[in-house]
Amino acid sequence: GQQLNQSPQSMFIQEGEDVSMNCTSSSIFNTWLWYKQDPGEGPVLLIALYKAGELTSNGRLTAQFGITRKDSFLNISASIPSDVGIYFCAGQLKGGSTLGRLYFGRGTQLTVWP
Amino acid sequence: DAGVTQSPTHLIKTRGQQVTLRCSPISGHKSVSWYQQVLGQGPQFIFQYYEKEERGRGNFPDRFSARQFPNYSSELNVNALLLGDSALYLCASSFGQSGEQFFGPGTRLTVL
Repeated sequence: GQQLNQSPQSMFIQEGEDVSMNCTSSSIFNTWLWYKQDPGEGPVLLIALYKAGELTSNGRLTAQFGITRKDSFLNISASIPSDVGIYFCAGQLKGGSTLGRLYFGRGTQLTVWP
Repeated sequence: DAGVTQSPTHLIKTRGQQVTLRCSPISGHKSVSWYQQVLGQGPQFIFQYYEKEERGRGNFPDRFSARQFPNYSSELNVNALLLGDSALYLCASSFGQSGEQFFGPGTRLTVL
C-alpha cells in the first residue's frame, strides 16, 4: 500500500512558538488533508488541499499542497495549549479503485508547554 | 447540524465472537468509509460505500464485511474476532466518493 512519511514524529514546544510538520509520499496524490485527533476521539478535519501549489489557511493554521504533488506541509503559528494533540496528514490518489480511500501518515504528536 | 454518529461507543468481546458497529453519516452525505486505528498509528482503510455500493476495500480479511442502507447509514461486521482486532473503529462520511471526509467519534473495540 501507499506509504506516507510524516515528520517529525513528535514535537515539544513552548506556547507562542510556530510549528511546522510535513508529509511525503512516493506517489502522486490528488488531494491532501490535514486532521487533528485528541485522545479517544475521531480525527477532526483542519484543512483540505486540491491543487498543486495551493496554500490554504484556517485561522493560525496554514497548509500547502506541494508542487510535485508528493508532499504537503502544515504550519501552526503562535501555538497555544489547546493545539496539543496528534496531527495526521492524509492523501487521496487520483482515481481507479482507490478513489475514495484516504492514506494516512503515522501522525505528529504535538505538546505545548505554557 | 449533527455530525457523524457511531454506536456503540465502547464494546468488549471475547475471541471468536462477532460484532456489529453502526454509523450514521452527516445529513446529505452519500458515502461512508470505515477505518481501523490501532494505538500509535494512523487510521487504516477498511471499506468505502457510495450510493449503497462497495467502492473500495482495504487489505483486511473476509471476516470483515459492511453494508450501506437506503438512508446511507452503514454497518461494519467483524466475525470470528481475534485479539488483534482490538482497535478504534472510525466511520467517515463524505458527500461524494472522493474529497473531504468527516470522522465520527469512533467505537473502541476490545477483544479479550
